[in-house]
Amino acid sequence: DTAVSQTPKYLVTQMGNDKSIKCEQNLGHDTMYWYKQDSKKFLKIMFSYNNKELIINETVPNRFSPKSPDKAHLNLHINSLELGDSAVYFCASSQATGGAGELFFGEGSRLTVL
Amino acid sequence: AQSVSQHNHHVILSEAASLELGCNYSYGGTVNLFWYVQYPGQHLQLLLKYFSGDPLVKGIKGFEAEFIKSKFSFNLRKPSVQWSDTAEYFCAVNDGGATNKLIFGTGTLLAVQP
Repeated sequence: DTAVSQTPKYLVTQMGNDKSIKCEQNLGHDTMYWYKQDSKKFLKIMFSYNNKELIINETVPNRFSPKSPDKAHLNLHINSLELGDSAVYFCASSQATGGAGELFFGEGSRLTVL
Repeated sequence: AQSVSQHNHHVILSEAASLELGCNYSYGGTVNLFWYVQYPGQHLQLLLKYFSGDPLVKGIKGFEAEFIKSKFSFNLRKPSVQWSDTAEYFCAVNDGGATNKLIFGTGTLLAVQP
């Protein structure tokens, strides 16, 4: 069983479109995250939810909207896609906040905007 | 604000050579330190972590890291690398605060030649 699973793994779309990436974790963790990895492999946190409550919201364009229907799911919706949104998006989860929890990552969703 | 520096962007070694990857962080308070590895086409996996106690931390696959507080460093070491260690290595830090926000370095690409 995959601990943190993301769909789709690959996404190719045109500028201006709207797309969503879904994430599910079966580890029973309370906290979930979205990270963006750019073409230079730099990983930057975007959002974090703890038990469906938003706790980290970095400086991300408001075209990006996370949604957590329950603590096992954290989806990412992106409106009006731009070329610069091309990246690999990683979902992650951890057992705890407060720095104690190891992050478990999904396999990533590679988004290409043409 | 916290930041993490990995000075070696690309390291090429022959099998059986010893490895040391540098990691320095900037933060004056208590920190938790991590090394993650990303094998080609895969998700990030935890290699090792330091929260407190013995500053020499042993991880999986023969890796270890030493926390030197006075130097704000957490260098990763392995006495003898294998071809299968070819991967991207990321150092990361959080401040143990309420949000478990993990800040990553820019990564070091290790290529081990057989």
